[in-house]
Amino acid sequence: GESVGLHLPTLSVQEGDNSIINCAYSNSASDYFIWYKQESGKGPQFIIDIRSNMDKRQGQRVTVLLNKTVKHLSLQIAATQPGDSAVYFCAERQAGTALIFGKGTTLSVSS
Amino acid sequence: EAGVVQSPRYKIIEKKQPVAFWCNPISGHNTLYWYRQNLGQGPELLIRYENEEAVDDSQLPKDRFSAERLKGVDSTLKIQPAELGDSAVYLCASSLDREGLNEQFFGPGTRLTVL
Repeated sequence: GESVGLHLPTLSVQEGDNSIINCAYSNSASDYFIWYKQESGKGPQFIIDIRSNMDKRQGQRVTVLLNKTVKHLSLQIAATQPGDSAVYFCAERQAGTALIFGKGTTLSVSS
Repeated sequence: EAGVVQSPRYKIIEKKQPVAFWCNPISGHNTLYWYRQNLGQGPELLIRYENEEAVDDSQLPKDRFSAERLKGVDSTLKIQPAELGDSAVYLCASSLDREGLNEQFFGPGTRLTVL
């Protein structure tokens, strides 16, 4: 599958491939992380979250990995579909404070 | 279940004019957020309410922006006067905070264009 080691603004994959979107977060005190999907003309939509006491969490076709040592978060999408095409944002939160969104990655899935 | 409702969806105004955005959160959600999203960027928090109290407005440009959440339900964000740099999408979100988690549900946003 396609993956990126560093954050890139765009990622293009073929339908059926696995996608990996990376995010570097800024605050070592952040305790909660979320991935959002945003389609054109819509607000961000929750995909999956993870607390800082975990390093992996799985959902339906999606997996989030958290590496606190290097402050890195990744979203893996299995068997990517055209409907997965969107902008993906990671967000971090330190307890009691607001979410801080990272730079988005535009995922394009071709048939 | 109805999601977060925002209106209007689009607004075009000339600079120096006032503008207001309205948000109705998901029923029962105690926390409401206003974000601004510039083109190609992630949302940035402007203000956060817990019930009717603004608990974080540190990023709200108070010289021209104001917000209110009367009765702790729906909310209005106002800009007066608008400037060219205010062109952005204004997103409202709500959450029901519990056990330290706060999954935020976003509305579709209001796209503001200042000419």
